[in-house]
Amino acid sequence: AQKITQTQPGMFVQEKEAVTLDCTYDTSDPSYGLFWYKQPSSGEMIFLIYQGSYDQQNATEGRYSLNFQKARKSANLVISASQLGDSAMYFCAMREDMDSNYQLIWGAGTKLIIKP
Amino acid sequence: DTEVTQTPKHLVMGMTNKKSLKCEQHMGHRAMYWYKQKAKKPPELMFVYSYEKLSINESVPSRFSPECPNSSLLNLHLHALQPEDSALYLCASSQDYSSGDEQYFGPGTRLTVT
Repeated sequence: AQKITQTQPGMFVQEKEAVTLDCTYDTSDPSYGLFWYKQPSSGEMIFLIYQGSYDQQNATEGRYSLNFQKARKSANLVISASQLGDSAMYFCAMREDMDSNYQLIWGAGTKLIIKP
Repeated sequence: DTEVTQTPKHLVMGMTNKKSLKCEQHMGHRAMYWYKQKAKKPPELMFVYSYEKLSINESVPSRFSPECPNSSLLNLHLHALQPEDSALYLCASSQDYSSGDEQYFGPGTRLTVT
């Protein structure tokens, strides 16, 4: 079974609109971390935001916020006031703390295109 | 300054060549990683170095040979590669491997094997 699911392979959004990128996860580990990365066409993987499973509040970082719904096992990324530069591939990833390898488990990604 | 640098940016090599990819970070991170990424796919972990020691080798073929000369540098030596090894190779670093901190990635090396 997929541990990280990103159901939107691609999205088109009008500039200045808010965007929600979906991510659901599957784990039985009570302690885990969730990450969002952005990858423009240049290739660099850019860390955006992190949410720990025990964090009481949703993470925010500038225009990025993480809508963390633990009971639903979802960790959607919200980008406010989208810009043309937000066009990129977005990956959701999870780390399970009981996994002694501490490896990141990646979703398949969502390609976001912002229209002018 | 969160920066990981990688050289070269692009590399074309024949199947009999020997080449090396280089990665450097000056964030004082003690964990460094090599990933391979095919087009439109997420990255696949290849190797993890923690405190300059190889911690994880994800069953990578021996034609890929990692080296960590010091805590800031990570190399990937390539020899006798196959065309299917063509991919984007990403280096990353994090504060400490076992703490599961966020990883910071370099810009990658786009490798083409002819």
